[in-house]
Amino acid sequence: GAGVSQTPSNKVTEKGKYVELRCDPISGHTALYWYRQSLGQGPEFLIYFQGTGAADDSGLPNDRFFAVRPEGSVSTLKIQRTERGDSAVYLCASSPSGTSSYEQYFGPGTRLTVT
Amino acid sequence: DQQVKQNSPSLSVQEGRISILNCDYTNSMFDYFLWYKKYPAEGPTFLISISSIKDKNEDGRFTVFLNKSAKHLSLHIVPSQPGDSAVYFCAASFMNRDDKIIFGKGTRLHILP
Repeated sequence: GAGVSQTPSNKVTEKGKYVELRCDPISGHTALYWYRQSLGQGPEFLIYFQGTGAADDSGLPNDRFFAVRPEGSVSTLKIQRTERGDSAVYLCASSPSGTSSYEQYFGPGTRLTVT
Repeated sequence: DQQVKQNSPSLSVQEGRISILNCDYTNSMFDYFLWYKKYPAEGPTFLISISSIKDKNEDGRFTVFLNKSAKHLSLHIVPSQPGDSAVYFCAASFMNRDDKIIFGKGTRLHILP
């Protein structure tokens, strides 16, 4: 079946602009996660949704970052007033909540470059 | 403060030999450990996992060993194949609840012909 998809695959924006990154999870997966991977680092947790609600947003770096999942499926990560330090690969993952499987399935990521 | 540490940024191994990737963690509350493999321009893909009640889990060429007293785990790949060349991330989480995964920085494995 189809895996996690993310759009766009690449996004170049100017400092100060607003961006939206989209994630389509695997059908039926109720848990959705956003991570950010900077150069030379492992993925770092940003936010986790269970259904439509954000169950844990402790990884969001500041109030310029916001994410929504209004219908419990597709999620959008929104970044306001982008800064050069926001440049990274933004990864989305989903998992079938409530099973004995704890693995998360990742999308290919969106590479964000802020110039 | 890195809770999951992979101290070797890269590792080169001859094809057919054993690859051993190491990982240390600091949080004794972690009870589930995972290894992910990542190719360029792709997302990480799940490889193998182990819960803290076990000390070994094997899946084909891949075996993960867990030493809880040392807070150390390792991934063994034998025999190593050219397609194993990738970045490997060690990660930790908590069983019985959906939660974030804490990743290490990764080890780039090169399989030499």
